[in-house]
Amino acid sequence: ELKVEQNPLFLSMQEGKNYTIYCNYSTTSDRLYWYRQDPGKSLESLFVLLSNGAVKQEGRLMASLDTKARLSTLHITAAVHDLSATYFCAVPGGGADGLTFGKGTHLIIQP
Amino acid sequence: KAGVTQTPRYLIKTRGQQVTLSCSPISGHRSVSWYQQTPGQGLQFLFEYFSETQRNKGNFPGRFSGRQFSNSRSEMNVSTLELGDSALYLCASSLAGNRFSPLHFGNGTRLTVT
Repeated sequence: ELKVEQNPLFLSMQEGKNYTIYCNYSTTSDRLYWYRQDPGKSLESLFVLLSNGAVKQEGRLMASLDTKARLSTLHITAAVHDLSATYFCAVPGGGADGLTFGKGTHLIIQP
Repeated sequence: KAGVTQTPRYLIKTRGQQVTLSCSPISGHRSVSWYQQTPGQGLQFLFEYFSETQRNKGNFPGRFSGRQFSNSRSEMNVSTLELGDSALYLCASSLAGNRFSPLHFGNGTRLTVT
């Protein structure tokens, strides 16, 4: 059974600081997705990581994938309040080829 | 380009009733998936449709069903509602034939069962 684990599940940090969210998954996968969800809103696609060693950056967010370690990281640089949201990673499989999501990391960035 | 549209946004039903939710995908997207989001279980895959055929189904009871029409619009139905069916139901569309494209989610239908 595919398991996707994120940590931490809750993170409160100050503006200007750096931090990393981790996503581990239990079976081999050729891709991994990161999504963002604001309260009461839908999921917004952030990154699609397709190969080992893939690194993608958008603004203050950078995501990487290590398929051998079955690990993806989402790094936040010099956090700003607008990045406050819940971040999900997702891997194909586990539910008859649908995406299996992690529990999400609830990120609060305080001034 | 219009995004994924789900209707209605909110629904309140009582136990034992049935409900139908609707989803219109992004124009040109032929694959539609449905997910259930709850505080306890998180996001869980329900099913995926492509060309009016159910391609994949998650681990949900038969009370949950869906269909897709020739214009790629999709509906999901939940019969004999239970309290535990209260959730945010999210529809997502993607480009068929491109297994690496991300899912594009709608704003969801929030179902409350009383």
